[in-house]
Amino acid sequence: DAKTTQPPSMDCAEGRAANLPCNHSTISGNEYVYWYRQIHSQGPQYIIHGLKNNETNEMASLIITEDRKSSTLILPHATLRDTAVYYCIVKPLGPNNQGGKLIFGQGTELSVKP
Amino acid sequence: GAVVSQHPSWVICKSGTSVKIECRSLDFQATTMFWYRQFPKQSLMLMATSNEGSKATYEQGVEKDKFLINHASLTLSTLTVTSAHPEDSSFYICSATSAYSYNEQFFGPGTRLTVL
Repeated sequence: DAKTTQPPSMDCAEGRAANLPCNHSTISGNEYVYWYRQIHSQGPQYIIHGLKNNETNEMASLIITEDRKSSTLILPHATLRDTAVYYCIVKPLGPNNQGGKLIFGQGTELSVKP
Repeated sequence: GAVVSQHPSWVICKSGTSVKIECRSLDFQATTMFWYRQFPKQSLMLMATSNEGSKATYEQGVEKDKFLINHASLTLSTLTVTSAHPEDSSFYICSATSAYSYNEQFFGPGTRLTVL
């Protein structure tokens, strides 16, 4: 079972920041928070991951609370092409099979509107 | 980023036939590949994990004799749906990791299987 909970859907105005929350209250000390997104009828796309520090890349920012029980993915200037299902996943870091498995929950369906 | 391809992108077959789906890592060696299935309006469900040269590890509830997985090389894994039935119609997605980037999975574009 997925170890995260996310709102099923969110709307965002084009050009505005999209803030997608995720709860992972049972996260273990060796588990990272990963975010992927899936545009309709395509394979998932990696966005970002982090352990406890805030992370930023060219796609998004990831804010993880100090107790690590929740996080927020921020798309700073959402465009229509960001309309997708966003998945928050926790998994341990490591080369073995268990470390590699991604267990997808239901995700948040983000609709960016003009 | 690393590129993973799947072939075919879609396939329609008759009930009772077998269908093979290929997953290739184009610019890296994939030590581990994963196969997922996704029904309409649902999330991805992990079916199995395969390491190059080893037998695949199937998730609970996935029939290994029905979904044959072969990972014979570091760039190719295949999923064969044997004796396909309409309930096997789904979106099949593979992903891959390498020994150098095992913390990031690269996903293929998916294969849409329709069984008539």
